[in-house]
Amino acid sequence: ETGVTQSPTHLIKTRGQQVTLRCSSQSGHNTVSWYQQALGQGPQFIFQYYREEENGRGNFPPRFSGLQFPNYSSELNVNALELDDSALYLCASSLIGQGAWETQYFGPGT
Amino acid sequence: GENVEQHPSTLSVQEGDSAVIKCTYSDSASNYFPWYKQELGKRPQLIIDIRSNVGEKKDQRIAVTLNKTAKHFSLHITETQPEDSAVYFCAASISGGSYIPTFGRGTSLIVHP
Repeated sequence: ETGVTQSPTHLIKTRGQQVTLRCSSQSGHNTVSWYQQALGQGPQFIFQYYREEENGRGNFPPRFSGLQFPNYSSELNVNALELDDSALYLCASSLIGQGAWETQYFGPGT
Repeated sequence: GENVEQHPSTLSVQEGDSAVIKCTYSDSASNYFPWYKQELGKRPQLIIDIRSNVGEKKDQRIAVTLNKTAKHFSLHITETQPEDSAVYFCAASISGGSYIPTFGRGTSLIVHP
């Protein structure tokens, strides 16, 4: 298993509410990416954070936002939840700056 | 943007047979192609990856081939075992700059004992 952790494990919210998901990256990694995986689908890239700034964004509306902290952990915030937001949310950490920076290690998901 | 097509969606084989999963991509600038294995209820795990400067890569029973001209890459699993049963995802991305990987929809591999 990777050293990437996510919290909470499971979450139930109501339409219109806001949610915050958290991710701790693997030791030594400086980049966190977030994905949405609907049932029976492949992961859809939401965004990536590197050095506390957004480093790429997929086709998701602005109500999906994120943060990265100095310790490289990250949060995913979703406002005004919609039914279609129901999914498994995965974070993945990687290391930019040493060769295969795209190699990502996934957390267990929320 | 990039579009990744993955086939087949389901693959059923007998233990010991080989399995091949194919992906095509649309953006000729893509140069990094990982494959992930996701068992039921678990996180995706990287099993092998290939970069555009290499045509083939092997790791024990697993190999990946890349055809840049045709813009497709394939995962080959030989001597399949029941524990290979899982959903396999391919992905394509461009190394460097803003990183936006695109995943295929997945292939459910079932290995019958």
